[in-house]
Amino acid sequence: DIQMTQSPSSLSASLGDRVTIPCRASQNIRNYLNWYQQKPGKGPKLLISAASSLQSGVPSRFSGSGSGTDFTLTISNLQPEDFATYYCQQSYSTPVTFGQGTKLEIK
Amino acid sequence: QITLKESGPTLVKPTQTLTLTCSFSGISKYSGLGVGWIRQPPGKALEWLALIYWDDDKRYSPSLMNRLTITKDTSKNQVVLTMTNMDPVDTATYYCVSGSLVTSFDSWGQGTLVTVSS
Repeated sequence: DIQMTQSPSSLSASLGDRVTIPCRASQNIRNYLNWYQQKPGKGPKLLISAASSLQSGVPSRFSGSGSGTDFTLTISNLQPEDFATYYCQQSYSTPVTFGQGTKLEIK
Repeated sequence: QITLKESGPTLVKPTQTLTLTCSFSGISKYSGLGVGWIRQPPGKALEWLALIYWDDDKRYSPSLMNRLTITKDTSKNQVVLTMTNMDPVDTATYYCVSGSLVTSFDSWGQGTLVTVSS
């Protein structure tokens, strides 16, 4: 199985900040990388697919980059509704696997 | 718009079989999407379990495939997951999802918490 590593597990930031959330794959997954946002008590929401393709309706302050083994989710101008947990997921091979998540907290 | 809603027991005993139903709408058989299940133990990460496509192609997580069965009833727009020999470590929120294993899971249900306890 491909292991997805997200470190740190939590991150503190302030409103208006720009933050980057990293994700690393244990092998080359090309651009088969998705990002999800999860808020407490809710199911995850797909933000970005194929490493950098923003889903319809997702604010443009979210962006994704990377290829191969290293990927980044960037959130610019943090808004109150952005404080949540973010998961990366690889769809390069089955079983698809998720990272452990990075919780974005208010500083 | 795709909607998915999970239903099933909230409490099962160890060794019992869990049966979960996903009722969905808005998924076209021409979309190439499947319907599947992902779980999340309390405070832990997400784990993909199974997915079934419109052509009845079924995919399972290798680590759990000997315990899982996924089926669909297209006339009712439902997908059913059974998991045998439940254990307390299977306590989790179970999500119904739509998507594809080669792309992403674009829609999620609200989830249903299943507790395994005697």
